[in-house]
Amino acid sequence: GAGVSQSPSNKVTEKGKDVELRCDPISGHTALYWYRQSLGQGLEFLIYFQGNSAPDKSGLPSDRFSAERTGGSVSTLTIQRTQQEDSAVYLCASSLDTVTRQYFGPGTRLTVT
Amino acid sequence: QQQVKQSPQSLIVQKGGISIINCAYENTAFDYFPWYQQFPGKGPALLIAIRPDVSEKKEGRFTISFNKSAKQFSLHIMDSQPGDSATYFCAASRSGNNRKLIWGLGTSLAVNP
Repeated sequence: GAGVSQSPSNKVTEKGKDVELRCDPISGHTALYWYRQSLGQGLEFLIYFQGNSAPDKSGLPSDRFSAERTGGSVSTLTIQRTQQEDSAVYLCASSLDTVTRQYFGPGTRLTVT
Repeated sequence: QQQVKQSPQSLIVQKGGISIINCAYENTAFDYFPWYQQFPGKGPALLIAIRPDVSEKKEGRFTISFNKSAKQFSLHIMDSQPGDSATYFCAASRSGNNRKLIWGLGTSLAVNP
């Protein structure tokens, strides 16, 4: 079956612009995670959605970052007023519930010029 | 500070050899320790995972050894193949509603033919 999909695969934007990154989780997966993968920093947790519960936003690095998940399925990560340090690969993962393996999408490579 | 420390940063192994990657953690609340494999341009994919109630888990050529008292775990790749050349990440998560993964910084493995 289909895995986790993310779009766009690559995004180049100018400093100060807003960007939206999309994640389509595996159908039926109730848990959804966003991570950021930066050179030299490894992967870091950003935000977590589980069903209809309030999201865990504890990993968001600044108030320029926000995310939503509509209808318990598709999620959008929005970065406002992008900065060069936002350049990274943004990964989305989903899992069937809170205790099973996380399946990752291919990521969106964001480059801020 | 890095909650999960991974070494070495890079590793070169001859075909047929054994690749060993080590990780150490601090938080004793962690109860799930996965290893992920990542190829360039792809998202991480779960390779093998272990929980602290066992000291070893083997799946094919891949083995996790877990030392709870030392708070260390390692990945052994037996009969390493050129197709195993990838970046390997160890991670950890704790029990609870949010199973966010805390990641090591990764090991770049090259298997020479």
